[in-house]
Amino acid sequence: DIQMTQSPSSVSASVGDRVTITCRASQGVRTWLAWYQQKPGKAPNLLIYAASSLQSGVPSRFSGSGSGTEFTLTISSLQPEDFATYYCQQADSFPYTFGQGTKLEIK
Amino acid sequence: EMQLVESGGALVQPGGSLRLSCAASGFTFSSYWMTWVRQGPGKELEWLSYIIDRGTRTWYADSVEGRFTISRDNAKNSLYLQMNGLRVEDTGVYYCATDRGSFGSSPNSGAFDLWGRGTMVTVSS
Repeated sequence: DIQMTQSPSSVSASVGDRVTITCRASQGVRTWLAWYQQKPGKAPNLLIYAASSLQSGVPSRFSGSGSGTEFTLTISSLQPEDFATYYCQQADSFPYTFGQGTKLEIK
Repeated sequence: EMQLVESGGALVQPGGSLRLSCAASGFTFSSYWMTWVRQGPGKELEWLSYIIDRGTRTWYADSVEGRFTISRDNAKNSLYLQMNGLRVEDTGVYYCATDRGSFGSSPNSGAFDLWGRGTMVTVSS
């Protein structure tokens, strides 16, 4: 199985900050990589698919990049509603796997 | 409005069985590949199973292979997860979700854009 490792596990930031989260795959997943945002008690929300494609309705301050084994999710200017947990997920091969999550907290 | 609603979660003893359902509305259910994902208390998301639009091909996580069965009834706009041999570690919120659709030359994208609210499964004696 492909293991997905996110870093950092948690990060504190302020409104207006630029934040980058990294996701590394234990083997290459080409660009079959998605990013999700999850708030407490809610279902995940798809942000990015195919590593860098912005899901419809998602603000443009979110962006994704990378291919192969290393990927990044960047939030260009944090807004209050962005404080949540973020997950990456590979869809290159079964079984699909998620990262352990990155909790973005208010500084 | 496009919507998924899960049901069937309950408290069950170890070794027991449950059947989860996911009712779809507001979109052409039969056109979409579907998935089940779960989340244990305070834990990360865990992908469980996937089924193609026609229901003729399925995939499973190692942790549920041989115990869980995914199926669908396109005439009823419904997705199911039959869970047998339940274990304490199966406790969590179970979500159904749609694959966002074809991407490039692939019939699926492997990314899930519509999710239900989830149904809670508790396995305990």
